[in-house]
Amino acid sequence: DIVMTQTPLSSPVTLGQPASISCRSSQSLVHSDGNTYLSWLQQRPGQPPRLLIYKISNRFSGVPDRFSGSGAGTDFTLKISRVEAEDVGVYYCTQATQFPRTFGQGTKVEIK
Amino acid sequence: QVQLVQSGAEVKKPGASVKVSCKVSGYTLTELSMHWVRQAPGKGLEWMGGFDPEDGETIYAQKFQGRVTMTEDTSTDTAYMELSSLRSEDTAVYYCATDLWTSFDYWGQGTLVTVSS
Repeated sequence: DIVMTQTPLSSPVTLGQPASISCRSSQSLVHSDGNTYLSWLQQRPGQPPRLLIYKISNRFSGVPDRFSGSGAGTDFTLKISRVEAEDVGVYYCTQATQFPRTFGQGTKVEIK
Repeated sequence: QVQLVQSGAEVKKPGASVKVSCKVSGYTLTELSMHWVRQAPGKGLEWMGGFDPEDGETIYAQKFQGRVTMTEDTSTDTAYMELSSLRSEDTAVYYCATDLWTSFDYWGQGTLVTVSS
């Protein structure tokens, strides 16, 4: 199974300041079709997860442009350019390159 | 726009089975691949299984092999996840999630399953 490791596990951020979360996979996420199926999910308190970013860097419908994704191979990053109060929650990276699907442990973003 | 509406909370005794439903609207079940993910209280996300369109089969996580069955009723566009031989560690919120345009793009609201004697 592909192990997904996120750092940090907790990220206290000042409103309006940037935040960054790293995700590393135990093996390359490049699929045989040439795509890299690395996504980022946001889970606000008491809510189901919501897709933010897919295939490394594509924002899903309705996702604000302060969210961006980057990376390649085994190393990926989610950045929030200016954290807003509604961004509080837990962020997960996940891979769909190979079964079983796996998730990172989650990174809790909170306001200082 | 896809909407996924799950069945209500359940309380079960150890050893029993639970069947959670996920009703799809906006699209039909045949247009997407359905997955099931669970989340124990205060914990992260855990993939239980889902449909692999490349093989045309449902793949189950090894941890749940023999205990979980995922089915679909295309006449009502409803997906089901049944988990048997419940134990206290199965207490969790169970989510259905779709691969429609990309992986895990839409999620149900979650169903809390509590296993307690």
